[in-house]
Order: sequence, then structure tokens, then C-alpha cells
Amino acid sequence: SQQGEEDPQALSIQEGENATMNCSYKTSINNLQWYRQNSGRGLVHLILIRSNEREKHSGRLRVTLDTSKKSSSLLITASRAADTASYFCATAPYGNNRLAFGKGNQVVVIP
Amino acid sequence: EPEVTQTPSHQVTQMGQEVILRCVPISNHLYFYWYRQILGQKVEFLVSFYNNEISEKSEIFDDQFSVERPDGSNFTLKIRSTKLEDSAMYFCASSEKTGGNTEAFFGQGTRLTVV
Repeated sequence: SQQGEEDPQALSIQEGENATMNCSYKTSINNLQWYRQNSGRGLVHLILIRSNEREKHSGRLRVTLDTSKKSSSLLITASRAADTASYFCATAPYGNNRLAFGKGNQVVVIP
Repeated sequence: EPEVTQTPSHQVTQMGQEVILRCVPISNHLYFYWYRQILGQKVEFLVSFYNNEISEKSEIFDDQFSVERPDGSNFTLKIRSTKLEDSAMYFCASSEKTGGNTEAFFGQGTRLTVV
């Protein structure tokens, strides 16, 4: 089974609102990362949270990690039209180099 | 800001033909990766490469695939005999340390279309 499974939602929000998306995984991890992908483009790294961290901030992004529930959330505050993209979580399991990606959440921010 | 570059951005090839996808990782990075994303699906790991050899590969990375670092800057993915199902976006990535301990930087991707 796949790790890094986001809740398969498509969010449509107004500019200025907050967007929250979730991710769950199944095995022990070293860290969890969030990426953004604009339509047809590459993956842009947003934030990495280590397994011993519970919360991390980067600008308008806030990531939480609950290793007991094997879940993470990404919050984008005060969203902008430019935040329109797909957001993926990716887990880095112990013992190997690969990142396991979820299916992604499509976020549309309406100006 | 350093970035991973991939060429070409889009390649169309006939089924059965060989293709080589090229990547220039970030210069001080030591770990290199290929991932692919079939349209509408997840990003899938293909292979990781370190110290001039494959360190890990997925079940997708069969004998039709090979990787090479022909010189100090390029990292290539070769598909020997393309199939229709190889049509996907192929991403190269690199990281300073192992992918499990640090962020991986991705290129813009090569969209491969097999006809």
C-alpha cells in the first residue's frame, strides 16, 4: 500500500481564506515533506518536518505531524490566487532513500 | 538559486524507440533520483543513484530502464524500448544527503509521450 496518502479532496476557497489538507501514512518515517506542483510543472519543495518534530512554520505555511496517528496537516494561511496548485505530501521511510508520494490535493484559490 | 534542470521539456517518441532523458543535478549534491508521474496519478519513485551506482530501485525500474552519470554534471535515464505505458512526466531530483534526511530538489520534468 502507498504511503503519503492525502485526503483526496479538491479545495476551492476564496482568496484570504485558509486552506487545510491532511496526509496519512502507514509505516515509520524519518521525515515528511510537502511539495507543491503547479499545473504541468515540476515539484517545488515547501517544507520538511522530522519525525521528532510536531509543528513547523514557514511563512504562511504551517505543518503539523502526529506520529502516533501517522498523520500530517498542511495549513496555508491567508491564501492567494498564486497558491492555486496541487499539494503533495511525501514520506521518507526509515531504511531507504525513496520518497513515497500521495495523490495530491488540488487547491483552487478564487481571487 | 541553484536548480535541477531537465531536457528536453517534452519528447514524443514512437513505441519501441529508445529515449534518453537528461538531467543536470545541483552541483554539490551527491544523491540523484528519477521519479515519474503518469497523468492524474501519484508521483512514483523509480531509482536512486549514489557514488556512481544504483542505491535503490523500484519494481517499475525493470531491465528496460537504465541510469548513468556520464560525466561530472549530467545524470541520464534511458528507456531502451519504449511502450505506450511509459508515457508520463519524468522528474529528476537531487539531494545533498540521502533523501530520507534532507529535502530533494526536483526539476521541471520531461513529458514523455509514446505514440
